[in-house]
This record gives sequence, C-alpha cells and structure tokens, in this order.
Amino acid sequence: NAGVTQTPKFQVLKTGQSMTLQCAQDMNHEYMSWYRQDPGMGLRLIHYSVGAGITDQGEVPNGYNVSRSTTEDFPLRLLSAAPSQTSVYFCASSQGTAYGYTFGSGTRLTVV
Amino acid sequence: GQQVMQIPQYQHVQEGEDFTTYCNSSTTLSNIQWYKQRPGGHPVFLIQLVKSGEVKKQKRLTFQFGEAKKNSSLHITATQTTDVGTYFCAVGNTGGFKTIFGAGTRLFVKA
Repeated sequence: NAGVTQTPKFQVLKTGQSMTLQCAQDMNHEYMSWYRQDPGMGLRLIHYSVGAGITDQGEVPNGYNVSRSTTEDFPLRLLSAAPSQTSVYFCASSQGTAYGYTFGSGTRLTVV
Repeated sequence: GQQVMQIPQYQHVQEGEDFTTYCNSSTTLSNIQWYKQRPGGHPVFLIQLVKSGEVKKQKRLTFQFGEAKKNSSLHITATQTTDVGTYFCAVGNTGGFKTIFGAGTRLFVKA
C-alpha cells in the first residue's frame, strides 16, 4: 500500500497564482484532513472531511477550498496565492475517531 | 474552539537523561493522541489515550492521561539520539471529527 500520497513535493508560486495540491490515499479511510505547518506554530487544521461529499472548515480555512468527490482523493485549492501561504502542507487520513492519522510526506510551498 | 497547550517548547538533554512533555487543556478531553515528527519528516502516530488515568507504555516511552482528562504527558526514559524530533499531542472535538494539534515540544539529544 502506498498510504497517503501528496503531489507535488515542492512548488514555487507567484503571488496571485492559483494551484491545487493533490492528496490521495489507498486505505479506504473515511476521514481526511489538510494541515499547514509553519516554524514554531505546530500543525494547523485547514479543512477536513468525514466522507465523500462532506467537508468542513478547520482553524485556518481562509484562502483555501477543498472538495471530496471520492473516498480516495482530497485536493486542496489555493485560490489566489499570497506570501502568507508559504508553508509545508500535510494531508492526513484516518479510519475514524478511535484511530490515529496517517500523514503524507508533505508539500513545501513557497509563494513569492 | 478546542485548544491545547503543550510545554515545554524546546528541551535539550544529554543522551541517557529522561525527557517529559506535557499537554494541557482547559476542557475535558474525549481522547488524546501523540505523534512524533523527525526533522524534515512528517508526523507519525504513536498512541491514543481514551480512559481517565490511563497509562500506556511503548518500550522507553510512557504515556499518561490525567484523571480529569484535561492533561496528558509523554515521558521518555534514558533518551537516545534516535529520539530527536518534535512530539505533538492532538485532541479531537466532540464527535472526534476535527483533530487539533498542540504546538509541539522539540527534543534535542546530545551524544
């Protein structure tokens, strides 16, 4: 099993550009989440999903959109990139509340 | 919203010394999870605690959940250089759908 796969691993964007960070899992997990990690600030929840067709906002949702059309995929869209969105983005999935999250290897995004 | 405070922010130890990180909440928690992130890596799930007063061990790691379910600790006995990394606690909201992470404790181990 591949687990949680994130693409791309690195990306540089110009201010105002849009892009989609891809996340796919092959474990048939219902729960999926997106986090961003900035130095000294831990992991902050952006959006999460408890199943296909169901998404909700986390702690820092502004500037990001998500959709969950299938159980496997949970893409994160940056609508108009800003330097404040420079960060490492992690996607994670879980079987449910009694289980921990499995994380992808992350996408390092720089907005210039 | 659900918040959790984690202390200390950093800890430097000599190899062989013990290490403890603490996670505190102002509200009662349904459960708490612990993760480890190696430098340059991604978080890896270690354990979940659910019951009041629960204690679980994984080799040199001991995890505790407070009696009031408002705090938790991770203790490492006789640290090794392989223990280097950041340790996070994470808590779920009511229903457990939304998992919020503490800021983490970064452990440095000097050989």
